[in-house]
Parts: sequence; structure tokens; C-alpha cells
Amino acid sequence: DQQVKQNSPSLSVQEGRISILNCDYTNSMFDYFLWYKKYPAEGPTFLISISSIKDKNEDGRFTVFLNKSAKHLSLHIVPSQPGDSAVYFCAARTSGSARQLTFGSGTQLTVLP
Amino acid sequence: ETGVTQTPRHLVMGMTNKKSLKCEQHLGHNAMYWYKQSAKKPLELMFVYSLEERVENNSVPSRFSPECPNSSHLFLHLHTLQPEDSALYLCASSQDGTSYGYTFGSGTRLTVV
Repeated sequence: DQQVKQNSPSLSVQEGRISILNCDYTNSMFDYFLWYKKYPAEGPTFLISISSIKDKNEDGRFTVFLNKSAKHLSLHIVPSQPGDSAVYFCAARTSGSARQLTFGSGTQLTVLP
Repeated sequence: ETGVTQTPRHLVMGMTNKKSLKCEQHLGHNAMYWYKQSAKKPLELMFVYSLEERVENNSVPSRFSPECPNSSHLFLHLHTLQPEDSALYLCASSQDGTSYGYTFGSGTRLTVV
């Protein structure tokens, strides 16, 4: 059973508009969440993270929102740029197993010029 | 050289072959990982090594055999694989206490014929 779910395998957005990528989790012990971005032929790279004690973290064009009661987090990219086209993975971990990240299946974002 | 380096980038092998994947990290991290990424699936954790000691083995078939001779190098020895083992194999490293989780290599695209 997947503990981290990304239910949208793909998303297309017009350049300059907002991209919203969603992630749901089932394990209430998760207390730290991360987003990774992956280009073809490259490994995933860290994008942004959020601790469960916060509900929002912002870094430039990227903002992650966490709704603990709904066990849901989202990544907002504003404004979206063609270079943002990539696969985005949501990941989560517990403080008791800080080395073990549980990943979602990824969402392919395509930003159209 | 910096980051996490994986070789080879691509590998095609027959089911009776023996091959090895290599990973090297130049970041001084204290943990290293092997992940498997199959199409449309979440990244699956295979093995975790901390300071050269294996701390996790997620029910991986014995045809996959990891080796960590020192804190900078990690190998995945492959023998008598099956076609369903074809996937992208990602190596990662991490340092306890950091906020960004893992640093990934670019992966080895493995095809078993």
C-alpha cells in the first residue's frame, strides 16, 4: 500500500500561470516532507521541504503548503517557466527513520510556452 | 569531482550475466542508498548503508547484492536477473541533520534481455 500518493501522473500549464502539484499521504507519523525535481537522464534534485510544525514554506517561485488534518501537501510554482518542465516527486519521512524517504510516483509537469 | 557519480549510465545484460553498478559520493556524507525506479511507480528503497554498515534491506531478492567497502563507495552486484528487473537504479547519499534529504546520482538505466 502506497503511503505517499501523487494521483496526477501529468499536468500541463501555460507559461506564466500557476502550477499546482498535489501529494497525499497516509502515515500520520510522517513529520518532514520534501519535493524533488527530475529531468530526463538525471537523478532527482532537492527542491523544497517543509516540517510538520509549519503549514507553509516559500523559496522564490516555489511554495509548499501542508495540511496535516487532510494529510495533504501541495507545491505551487508561480510563475511557471518552460524550464520547470520535469517530473516532480513528493517524499516524506519520520523522525524515527530520518534516513528513509518514502516517495510518491511522480507528476510530469509540462509548461507550455 | 563533486556530487554523486554513478557508472555505467546504461547497461544491457542477459539473464545469465553478472554485472556491477558503481556509485561514488564526494560529499562526505555518512549514509548511502540504492533505489529502484520503474516506470510510473514510486522510487523503491532497496538498501541503506550507514558508515559502511548495511542498516536496511527491503526484502530485495538475493540476485541483487550490495557492497559498501568505504563511506564513499557503494556497489550493486547483479546476477541472474529477470526482465522485470529492468529499471533505473539510483544511488543517493545523505548526511544526518541536513534539511534536503538525499543527493542523487544520475542513475544507471538497466535493461535485462
